[in-house]
Amino acid sequence: QVQLQESGPGLVKPSETLSLTCTVSGGSVSSGSYYWSWIRQPPGKGLEWIGYFSDSGRTIYNPSLKSRVSISVDTSKNQFSLVLNSVTPADTAVYYCARGDVGLGVGHWGQGTLVIVSS
Amino acid sequence: AIQMTQSPSSLSASVGDRVTITCRASQGIRSDLGWYQQKPGKAPKLLIYAASSLQSGVSSRFSGSGSDTEFTLTISSLQPEDFATYYCLQDYFYPWTFGQGTKVEVK
Repeated sequence: QVQLQESGPGLVKPSETLSLTCTVSGGSVSSGSYYWSWIRQPPGKGLEWIGYFSDSGRTIYNPSLKSRVSISVDTSKNQFSLVLNSVTPADTAVYYCARGDVGLGVGHWGQGTLVIVSS
Repeated sequence: AIQMTQSPSSLSASVGDRVTITCRASQGIRSDLGWYQQKPGKAPKLLIYAASSLQSGVSSRFSGSGSDTEFTLTISSLQPEDFATYYCLQDYFYPWTFGQGTKVEVK
């Protein structure tokens, strides 16, 4: 059973860079037809898809964040990462890493990590 | 981006009630839609994928239907553990987009 776990700083200053890592266990980030995804949820609000890295090497981002976001994979550590530049308080959210399967929805989620953007 | 309009935004229901939640897409998305349940402080959980396929391990009281632009999640007989917020997600076209959520509360 694949499991995902987010890690990273819980507090980031405005204008700085948010960096999170998702460690995958019970499966490999380099096999299968999967979408290794990041999704976020501001406190008390709905879900927003940030983007994904697919096993084919394709990376797709939400245009609302595209100029500031980057997702990468480290196959040696079985991890994938999110970098979000020039953060503002509007980027305060619970950040989830997740695995989507082609045609089968997003079936595996990390527990989420709260990142607060504040000075 | 494809807009997903979910309704209602909230509803009050009793245990045993039949509950229906609707998601409308601003353009056709075939059957590339999933339904997710989220409880406070927890990650979303996949209930239905491909509009009508039940995720393994999910109770059969949950069902999904629809295609193209109109989709429905039905809970046939609401149970205490079903009080939660439900979201639809289209993964047909980038960016993937969620509905705004439906909070199912105790009547």
